[in-house]
Amino acid sequence: AQTVTQSQPEMSVQEAETVTLSCTYDTSESDYYLFWYKQPPSRQMILVIRQEAYKQQNATENRFSVNFQKAAKSFSLKISDSQLGDAAMYFCAYRSSSYSGGGADGLTFGKGTHLIIQP
Amino acid sequence: DTGVSQNPRHKITKRGQNVTFRCDPISEHNRLYWYRQTLGQGPEFLTYFQNEAQLEKSRLLSDRFSAERPKGSFSTLEIQRTEQGDSAMYLCASSPGLAGGQGTQYFGPGTRLTVL
Repeated sequence: AQTVTQSQPEMSVQEAETVTLSCTYDTSESDYYLFWYKQPPSRQMILVIRQEAYKQQNATENRFSVNFQKAAKSFSLKISDSQLGDAAMYFCAYRSSSYSGGGADGLTFGKGTHLIIQP
Repeated sequence: DTGVSQNPRHKITKRGQNVTFRCDPISEHNRLYWYRQTLGQGPEFLTYFQNEAQLEKSRLLSDRFSAERPKGSFSTLEIQRTEQGDSAMYLCASSPGLAGGQGTQYFGPGTRLTVL
């Protein structure tokens, strides 16, 4: 079974600064998808960014980018120019690709990192 | 695209009662997922449907839990004889059924269950 580990329960960053959230995962599959989701307080979970394992290029979405290291099974999220609205729980998630024979379609989540933005 | 909706948003019940939650996915999304999230934890996968077929169930889904998706549209999750340990946020997500499982899952706001 796949596991996802987020080793930072909480991170704090000054507004306008850059912060990196860590995520590692364990899998025996060669093809899969990785995601970062954001869950603001009392609000629903929204997708921040996704990465296909077969793509070597790191995904970027405006101020959000990832550092995907497949061999190291590492998938960190970098947030540039942090804004107050970025304050939330951030979850790293893994999903099998059926092309790799993985049968599980549900996401496997880490425990999350609570991101605090200091004004 | 109105997003995934869930009802009710909050449910308080007494131990031993049955509860039912509803999820309406994004229209034309043929995959629908249920997750449970307890305080301080990430969501845990419970089950998923492709159209009306329930294709996968987690071992977390005890016999007291049952999910349905009649006609492949909305879904219901029922918990019978609730226990205090069932207190959690129940999240629903939907995705398009793209080849290889490429579809991104979009989440609803959740139903928060409190069992007294």
